[in-house]
Amino acid sequence: QQQVKQSPQSLIVQKGGIPIINCAYENTAFDYFPWYQQFPGKGPALLIAIRPDVSEKKEGRFTISFNKSAKQFSLHIMDSQPGDSATYFCAPRQDNYGQNFVFGPGTRLSVLP
Amino acid sequence: KAGVTQTPRYLIKTRGQQVTLSCSPISGHRSVSWYQQTPGQGLQFLFEYFSETQRNKGNFPGRFSGRQFSNSRSEMNVSTLELGDSALYLCASSPGSGPIGGELFFGEGSRLTVL
Repeated sequence: QQQVKQSPQSLIVQKGGIPIINCAYENTAFDYFPWYQQFPGKGPALLIAIRPDVSEKKEGRFTISFNKSAKQFSLHIMDSQPGDSATYFCAPRQDNYGQNFVFGPGTRLSVLP
Repeated sequence: KAGVTQTPRYLIKTRGQQVTLSCSPISGHRSVSWYQQTPGQGLQFLFEYFSETQRNKGNFPGRFSGRQFSNSRSEMNVSTLELGDSALYLCASSPGSGPIGGELFFGEGSRLTVL
């Protein structure tokens, strides 16, 4: 069983804060590490992803950091905004295993104005 | 470019009935995956089709089945519905596999309620 754990389960921050969401996995064969963002009533959408040859990737206010030895990767949201309030899923995948992503249980983020 | 289209968006069925959900992927995408989303179990992988062939299958009973047509459109079917099948069923398309196939593009889902 490929297990993926996320923490925290939910998170409340003030506008401008820096929420951090963590994802831990067991399968060392995973080689693609994305974060998906889901708003109510919508399907998830890719936010940012990293491959294991780098330890950090930044796209706008979103940063993903990767710790291969600890089998963890994290999402940081800089200068968070109320519009970032959503559920975030990590979904590591093994590239040559088709499109079978293992989604984490999700983290519900609320950014207060 | 049009996104992933799922129909119907909402449906209500009773126990024992069957249901068919449809998914039209993004033009040019050859892989279609299906996921079940529930509050208790989160997002769970059902199966993936690539060029009309089932390439991967999750841990769901045989009541859940799917297929993909030559134009990459996909359908999933659930027979003998149970109350626990109530969920949001999400379809996702992607260009393919390997380094070019990393990102999943999700539709808005079909919300099934079983009474």
